[in-house]
Amino acid sequence: GENVEQHPSTLSVQEGDSAVIKCTYSDSASNYFPWYKQELGKGPQLIIDIRSNVGEKKDQRIAVTLNKTAKHFSLHITETQPEDSAVYFCAAPSPLNQAGTALIFGKGTTLSVSS
Amino acid sequence: DTEVTQTPKHLVMGMTNKKSLKCEQHMGHRAMYWYKQKAKKPPELMFVYSYEKLSINESVPSRFSPECPNSSLLNLHLHALQPEDSALYLCASSQVPGATNYGYTFGSGTRLTVV
Repeated sequence: GENVEQHPSTLSVQEGDSAVIKCTYSDSASNYFPWYKQELGKGPQLIIDIRSNVGEKKDQRIAVTLNKTAKHFSLHITETQPEDSAVYFCAAPSPLNQAGTALIFGKGTTLSVSS
Repeated sequence: DTEVTQTPKHLVMGMTNKKSLKCEQHMGHRAMYWYKQKAKKPPELMFVYSYEKLSINESVPSRFSPECPNSSLLNLHLHALQPEDSALYLCASSQVPGATNYGYTFGSGTRLTVV
């Protein structure tokens, strides 16, 4: 099945700086890569995703880039704000058996934005 | 309605108790999932239901018993749990099974403590 590695595990930035989180995946057949934000006491929330037919996708201050050759994708947050502080997870679909696939998550990155 | 609702939010149970976790969505999603999340760890897949049928069981102990009564409801029946089963239990749904093109919508989870 798929293996997803995520770096760094913790990231501290000053308000207004940019933050970048990177994930690598192992299955070259994977074609969908979402990013989730999890705040304390809440479930993960989908913030952006990318499909393998595009290289970059933006949504206001967040963007995701995908390099299929190198099998990695990255989350970019610009002009960070204190409310961006959370745990961020990347994910990729893993073919678990003949019945189908399910999302497998990276280990997470704790982002702290200080004002 | 774009939410996944989980009840209860918190649950404390003894090792001899029987309890159930409930999950509900009204988005017309045909795939539903149970994940387990320990502190400072990513969500780990437990079960996948596709069109109300169990399609994936990730080698979960039999003390966890899932049930999908209809396309909107997902239950997780708990019996004879161990303290190490204490965790956040997350329910999620996606538009169609397969996880290759659609993100998951997560509930806020049930915080389970086994004493």
